[in-house]
Amino acid sequence: QLQLQESGPGLVKPSETLSLTCTVSGGSISSSRYYWGWIRQPPGKGLEWIGTIFYSGKTYYNPSLKSRVTISVDTSKNQFSLKLSSVTAADTAVYYCATERAGYSYNDYWGQGTLVTVSS
Amino acid sequence: QSVLTQPPSASGTPGQRVTISCSGGSSNIGSNSVNWYQQLPGTAPKLLIYSSNQRPSGVPDRFSGSKSGTSASLAISGLQSEDEADYYCAAWDESLNGHVVFGGGTKLTVL
Repeated sequence: QLQLQESGPGLVKPSETLSLTCTVSGGSISSSRYYWGWIRQPPGKGLEWIGTIFYSGKTYYNPSLKSRVTISVDTSKNQFSLKLSSVTAADTAVYYCATERAGYSYNDYWGQGTLVTVSS
Repeated sequence: QSVLTQPPSASGTPGQRVTISCSGGSSNIGSNSVNWYQQLPGTAPKLLIYSSNQRPSGVPDRFSGSKSGTSASLAISGLQSEDEADYYCAAWDESLNGHVVFGGGTKLTVL
């Protein structure tokens, strides 16, 4: 049973870079069954897909965020990470990491989510 | 404005059957399968239906999904109070190098 856990600062200043890490347990991040993704949810609003990465480094990003997003993977630590640059208050959200089944795009395992607030 | 369109709200009484629609386009639902998620208050989303009509292990058969053309539906039969939640559809979109798109979500109220 895969388990995912987000970690990182809960408060980021405007114009700075948001950085989060997702630690995977119960399985290998090098599995060919999964991509590893990030999804966010602003308070009181719906879900927004941010992007996803395969263990090989292949990435897909939300076109509306692509210029500011970098997702990377560290197979030695069984972790993957999200960096979102030049943040504004609109980036305040609960950020979830999740598995994304290769070839199918559905998210079957989710982290509990972490709230990131952008404020000075 | 979400790429996939869902009604913002739906409701039903215990035991009823309710359906939630999800409308998209040729580059997403028209080309790929649809996934549905249930989000209970204060919790992470949970996969409810994948590949348009498949239930993960542990999801009751009261939940079913279907897809036709560029639209999809989630049906819940024998509605229960614990089904009160937000429901989201999602699909892969082939445009712009490929990405996942979500619906705006439907809040289901059990009256």
